[in-house]
Amino acid sequence: EVQLVQSGAEVKKPGESLRISCKGSGYSFTTYWIGWVRQMPGKGLEWMGIIYPADSDTRYSPSFQGQVTVSADKSSSTAYLQWGSLKASDTAMYYCARRYCTSTSCYLGSYDYWGQGTLVTVSS
Amino acid sequence: QSALTQPRSVSGSPGQSVTISCTGTSSDVGGYDYVSWYQQHPGKAPKLMIYDVSKRPSGVPDRFSGSKSGNTASLTISGLQAEDEADYYCCSYAGRYTFVVFGGGTKLTVL
Repeated sequence: EVQLVQSGAEVKKPGESLRISCKGSGYSFTTYWIGWVRQMPGKGLEWMGIIYPADSDTRYSPSFQGQVTVSADKSSSTAYLQWGSLKASDTAMYYCARRYCTSTSCYLGSYDYWGQGTLVTVSS
Repeated sequence: QSALTQPRSVSGSPGQSVTISCTGTSSDVGGYDYVSWYQQHPGKAPKLMIYDVSKRPSGVPDRFSGSKSGNTASLTISGLQAEDEADYYCCSYAGRYTFVVFGGGTKLTVL
């Protein structure tokens, strides 16, 4: 069974650093892109970036470039999203998701398996 | 403001059909046949319902269908059921610099 299991909720202060994780299982972790999506409280979905674990090829939304870092560890089948200095406006639910692929193709902008989400709260 | 424009809410009675629109530009929806739709129930992760404009992943009922005309994509849900009540988001590939954009989401109420 394909699963993406994310790390637990975090409460941080402005200026602190943070890394959250997304562990994949039940499939070949290195051969599927993993994306990250933000959902601020009561708001819609925002695409942040994506990584290909096999070679760590990474792409970012212009809105998040320089604000976060996406990485992956092949040995532990885990993707990461990290902040160097959190702001109150980073308070949100963060989801990881696996890019949808069939036996013949992979599909841009389509994600078939999602993590349960990690709630990040940044408050002084 | 989201990159793609969706109505904030739509509603319909059980058994009826509803259509949710998603308007973008020639740089995203109109430029590529890579529109997907997601269903999100409160407190849950999104679920892929449609990919590549009109294709359904395995397990998604055929009551859900997608289409596109110009810069506007649409999701139609026929034979509305109570469990279809959720938020729906469109998503489009937007080229190799922006990559992926979402719509602002539409709340579907089943009356």
